[in-house]
Amino acid sequence: ETGVTQSPTHLIKTRGQQVTLRCSSQSGHNTVSWYQQALGQGPQFIFQYYREEENGRGNFPPRFSGLQFPNYSSELNVNALELDDSALYLCASSCGTVSGNTIYFGEGSWLTVV
Amino acid sequence: EDQVTQSPEALRLQEGESSSLNCSYTVSGLRGLFWYRQDPGKGPEFLFTLYSAGEEKEKERLKATLTKKESFLHITAPKPEDSATYLCAVQAPSGSRLTFGEGTQLTVNP
Repeated sequence: ETGVTQSPTHLIKTRGQQVTLRCSSQSGHNTVSWYQQALGQGPQFIFQYYREEENGRGNFPPRFSGLQFPNYSSELNVNALELDDSALYLCASSCGTVSGNTIYFGEGSWLTVV
Repeated sequence: EDQVTQSPEALRLQEGESSSLNCSYTVSGLRGLFWYRQDPGKGPEFLFTLYSAGEEKEKERLKATLTKKESFLHITAPKPEDSATYLCAVQAPSGSRLTFGEGTQLTVNP
C-alpha cells in the first residue's frame, strides 16, 4: 500500500471531450508527478508539481494541464481528447525534489478514448 | 536527453532458474536509478533506488547492482509469483522526472 490514491480507476470518453483525473498523495508528500503509460510501454513523464507550482514538464501539448492543491492533492486535465490519449495515467508522489526520496505510484486511471 | 534501454524485452524462466535483467542508461549525471515491479493493470511498485556505482541492494529473491553505465536486477531461485514486468528508470540532477525503459516482462513457470 503506497498511500497514493487515484480516481476514477477506469473511464471512457469520446474524442474531443475533456477529462479530469485526481490524485491524493501519500501523507507528508509535497511533490506530485503525472505519467502516461501506453499499453506495452514504459511510463512517460507529463509534468510535476511541487508546493502547488509546476516544476518541470515533459513533451506533452498544452491541452494537458494540471493543478496541485494546498493539501498536495492534484488533478490532471486533458482537453480535446484524441484517440492516442488512451492510456494508463499514473500519479507519483514524493517528499521534496532532492535525491534520496522514494517515489511511490498509485494504481492509475485507465482512460479509453473512443 | 536521458535514455534507458532494458533487455531482454521478455524472459521466461522455470521456477528456481536464476537469471538477470539488464538496464543500460545514458544520463547527464545520475541522481538515482530506480527499479519497479508492475503487475498487469496495476501501478508500478517500488523495489529499489541506487545512487552510485558499486552500490547493491537486496530484497528477498531480488538483488540490484549499479555501474556507471548499467544496472542489473538479479533474480535468484524465482517463483511463479515473481512474474511481472520490471521497469527501470533514471533520475537526473537537473529535474525530478523519471525516464523509464520499456520494461522486461518476466514469466516464471512452475
